[in-house]
Amino acid sequence: DVKVTQSSRYLVKRTGEKVFLECVQDMDHENMFWYRQDPGLGLRLIYFSYDVKMKEKGDIPEGYSVSREKKERFSLILESASTNQTSMYLCASSTRGGAGGNTIYFGEGSWLTVV
Amino acid sequence: AQKITQTQPGMFVQEKEAVTLDCTYDTSDQSYGLFWYKQPSSGEMIFLIYQGSYDEQNATEGRYSLNFQKARKSANLVISASQLGDSAMYFCAMRGANTDKLIFGTGTRLQVFP
Repeated sequence: DVKVTQSSRYLVKRTGEKVFLECVQDMDHENMFWYRQDPGLGLRLIYFSYDVKMKEKGDIPEGYSVSREKKERFSLILESASTNQTSMYLCASSTRGGAGGNTIYFGEGSWLTVV
Repeated sequence: AQKITQTQPGMFVQEKEAVTLDCTYDTSDQSYGLFWYKQPSSGEMIFLIYQGSYDEQNATEGRYSLNFQKARKSANLVISASQLGDSAMYFCAMRGANTDKLIFGTGTRLQVFP
């Protein structure tokens, strides 16, 4: 079974703190993703990585950065957390596939509250 | 740019009835894939069904089928014989041929009542 593991399920951080959300996948997938999910807005892509040290901005990269030093690990960094970053964060991974039917596998999500 | 639109924020259906969840998309790619995911209250994302843009037949997976109308750019999910366990958020998503990014719609919350 493919496993995508997010290190923290629930976090509470203070405004201005630096926050790290870690994600590890065990299927040697090339692609890894960070999404943010908010009610009424669906899932919005923050960043995408297609290889080690390679990344692309998604639709809402402002206020976030990412790191992929090893193939299995993809970290999302909030340099200075703000209350409008309170949300659920979903990590995902997949093989390369373009329009093909290879599915994307998700972690369980990390609920971040910034106070 | 690619876009997915789900116009139904919420839907109700009685147990054992069929329900259709709407999804329209916009893309300039000739080749693309369409996906549906289910998200129960537990938060996990469960893959349901995939349709390739060049597939001749509509995709089916058990009680799920995808009503693909390419000219209308719609990819509606049909759930037959609804069950109480089908109550969840449902997301439509798309990926183009030249990218591995999966773009999601805003979702539809389905509630199945006895």
